[in-house]
Amino acid sequence: AQKITQTQPGMFVQEKEAVTLDCTYDTSDPSYGLFWYKQPSSGEMIFLIYQGSYDQQNATEGRYSLNFQKARKSANLVISASQLGDSAMYFCAMREGSDFYGGSQGNLIFGKGTKLSVKP
Amino acid sequence: GAGVSQSPSNKVTEKGKDVELRCDPISGHTALYWYRQRLGQGLEFLIYFQGNSAPDKSGLPSDRFSAERTGESVSTLTIQRTQQEDSAVYLCASSQTSGLAEEQYFGPGTRLTVT
Repeated sequence: AQKITQTQPGMFVQEKEAVTLDCTYDTSDPSYGLFWYKQPSSGEMIFLIYQGSYDQQNATEGRYSLNFQKARKSANLVISASQLGDSAMYFCAMREGSDFYGGSQGNLIFGKGTKLSVKP
Repeated sequence: GAGVSQSPSNKVTEKGKDVELRCDPISGHTALYWYRQRLGQGLEFLIYFQGNSAPDKSGLPSDRFSAERTGESVSTLTIQRTQQEDSAVYLCASSQTSGLAEEQYFGPGTRLTVT
């Protein structure tokens, strides 16, 4: 079974508007972390935002925020005021925990990604 | 400081040949990861090194794939008897520790094409 599901292969958004990229996850670990990465056409992976499973508040980083709904196992990325430079692939990823002290099982598990295109 | 570097940036090889891909992590990072990204796909985990612990090889797709890491420095991913399905971008990442919230810093990748 897929551990990270991104159901939107492609999305379009008008410049300056907000957009939500969907991500659902599947884990039985009580401790886990959720990440979003951006991959422009140049291929580099750029870290955007992190949400821990025990975090009480939704994470925010500048124009990026994470809409974390634990009961629904969803971790949607919201980009406000889209810019042309936001056009890229966006990947949701999860790291499962190994203990209650912040340890992890190491690797990230990635979704298939969403291609975001920002229209001028 | 310097980021994660990988070499070569591009590699074209004939089916059946062996290839070695190199990764230089950020200095001081104890954790190192290899991922594979096929065209238009997400990243697949291959192998993970943490300090002097035994590596987690659970993502290696076959025994043709192996990797080594010398201490907390350079890592080499070796693919023996390459097949066309091995064509992909191979990405290396490192992080300061393997803690749950630790960001992984990715290298630019090696694009492998098997003809």
